[in-house]
Amino acid sequence: NAGVTQTPKFQVLKTGQSMTLQCAQDMNHEYMSWYRQDPGMGLRLIHYSVGAGITDQGEVPNGYNVSRSTTEDFPLRLLSAAPSQTSVYFCASSYAGGTYEQYFGPGTRLTVT
Amino acid sequence: SQQGEEDPQALSIQEGENATMNCSYKTSINNLQWYRQNSGRGLVHLILIRSNEREKHSGRLRVTLDTSKKSSSLLITASRAADTASYFCATALMDSNYQLIWGAGTKLIIKP
Repeated sequence: NAGVTQTPKFQVLKTGQSMTLQCAQDMNHEYMSWYRQDPGMGLRLIHYSVGAGITDQGEVPNGYNVSRSTTEDFPLRLLSAAPSQTSVYFCASSYAGGTYEQYFGPGTRLTVT
Repeated sequence: SQQGEEDPQALSIQEGENATMNCSYKTSINNLQWYRQNSGRGLVHLILIRSNEREKHSGRLRVTLDTSKKSSSLLITASRAADTASYFCATALMDSNYQLIWGAGTKLIIKP
């Protein structure tokens, strides 16, 4: 099992550019989520999904889009990058019928100049 | 908005000593979880305690939960250099088991 994988590991964007952060899991987890982690703060939930075709907003959704066409994949799209989106982004997944323990990917460090 | 608040923000101890971190939260929870994050890496689940439990053990970890005080503590006994990491508490609210709300973390440094 690869667990939760994220690509790319690092990315530099210019203000206004768009990009997609990829996330995939091979554990057949129903629940997937995207967080951002900023210095001195805990994780903040951007978007989440409880299954293929179902997504919902978290605490800080503005400027981001998601879709969930398969159980395995949950990409995060930055529509028009802003310096305030400089952060480390983590994808996580969880088995819906279990202990709610979340499994995390290694993260994507994004810098917007 | 942050639900969990960890205390202290940073902790530096000698190898072999015990480390205690605390977490307070604001609203009723279904469960509380502790995660570890090594520098530059993703988070790893350590232990989960449900709202009807008061204490739980896993190896060198001991977690307590006091729902009347809305607080939890994580004790790491006989610390090792490999325990150097940031530790986060996360709460699952009563009406949403899968959405976790996170504290800002405690940075633990174990000195050899």
